[in-house]
Amino acid sequence: GAVVSQHPSWVICKSGTSVKIECRSLDFQATTMFWYRQFPKQSLMLMATSNEGSKATYEQGVEKDKFLINHASLTLSTLTVTSAHPEDSSFYICSATTFGYEQYFGPGTRLTVT
Amino acid sequence: LAKTTQPISMDSYEGQEVNITCSHNNIATNDYITWYQQFPSQGPRFIIQGYKTKVTNEVASLFIPADRKSSTLSLPRVSLSDTAVYYCLVGDVSGAGSYQLTFGKGTKLSVIP
Repeated sequence: GAVVSQHPSWVICKSGTSVKIECRSLDFQATTMFWYRQFPKQSLMLMATSNEGSKATYEQGVEKDKFLINHASLTLSTLTVTSAHPEDSSFYICSATTFGYEQYFGPGTRLTVT
Repeated sequence: LAKTTQPISMDSYEGQEVNITCSHNNIATNDYITWYQQFPSQGPRFIIQGYKTKVTNEVASLFIPADRKSSTLSLPRVSLSDTAVYYCLVGDVSGAGSYQLTFGKGTKLSVIP
């Protein structure tokens, strides 16, 4: 089946620093990747949609300059949280699709900002 | 955006059939209905997807009425390992639409021995 990986699985960073999260489709080419954020005991909230080679489309209320998304290839998308603050601590999940009406989700990345 | 509404929680005994209903009154023509299972600190896992009528796979069935304003996930003979949060997602990832993906708040299913 289609497998999506994320790296790192968890990360701790200091307030004010930046952290990059990678999302890879391991056995298929993903035309589109999605980034979600999930706070404890809450649902997934779509942050942005990225297509290979083009700028990401951000959901309303998501700061483009704070959450930088790069989709450089059909198998890799990265999310960089710039100048992270404690309120950015969350579970970040990516998913990928190939126009097959199904999203394949990664295992998630737990970000803790101290 | 097609807003979805699910029960917050459900309890069931092992071996029983569980039905979880999701309401999505303003579902769009291009939207599909997908159900996911999520365990703590893991990404969602695909369960089943449908557009209309009934869909069945090896783990679940999905019932969608003709007006598509709701859907029901049916899990036959649940076991303790089915304890998880179940999400209803309505949206279009085909590329034909604008990827308006809205997760419901999820239903926490607790299976009791």
